[in-house]
Amino acid sequence: DVKVTQSSRYLVKRTGEKVFLECVQDMDHENMFWYRQDPGLGLRLIYFSYDVKMKEKGDIPEGYSVSREKKERFSLILESASTNQTSMYLCASSLLGPGEAQYFGPGTRLLVL
Amino acid sequence: LAKTTQPISMDSYEGQEVNITCSHNNIATNDYITWYQQFPSQGPRFIIQGYKTKVTNEVASLFIPADRKSSTLSLPRVSLSDTAVYYCLVGTYNNAGNMLTFGGGTRLMVKP
Repeated sequence: DVKVTQSSRYLVKRTGEKVFLECVQDMDHENMFWYRQDPGLGLRLIYFSYDVKMKEKGDIPEGYSVSREKKERFSLILESASTNQTSMYLCASSLLGPGEAQYFGPGTRLLVL
Repeated sequence: LAKTTQPISMDSYEGQEVNITCSHNNIATNDYITWYQQFPSQGPRFIIQGYKTKVTNEVASLFIPADRKSSTLSLPRVSLSDTAVYYCLVGTYNNAGNMLTFGGGTRLMVKP
């Protein structure tokens, strides 16, 4: 079974703090993704990575950056957290391209005060 | 970029067959259609994927007409545990560019 883990289930941060969300997958997948999910808006892609050190912007990259130094780990960084970044953050991985089945982690619910 | 449209919600009863349709008028030649299921406080879970015609697995069937501008997820004999949000995703196996679009999801409520 593919396992995607996220570093925290719940996180509370203050406006202006730098926030790191970590994601690890154990299936040697090439692709990894970060989404955010908000009520009424479904899942929106923030960034994805198709190889180590490679990244592509998704639909809503503003205010976020990512890092992929190792194949199994994909980090989402909020350089200066703002209240409108309060959301559920979901990480996913897939073996081939984005169109293939993605395996999701349990999510991190982030509250920015 | 293939935008997808799904009904916001659907109701059904236990034992019935449920069909959820997703529209994707701008689907590209290389795009696949994938459906996910999501329960509250969990990440989405892959259900089924197809390119054209019909695909069936142990939990669902996916019907895709010849023009591929829509697709229908069919859940046979639903139970209460099938109450969830179902998402349609259109995307390609290519790695370059932004070629992923999740629909807004369909909230399925199965009643006893």
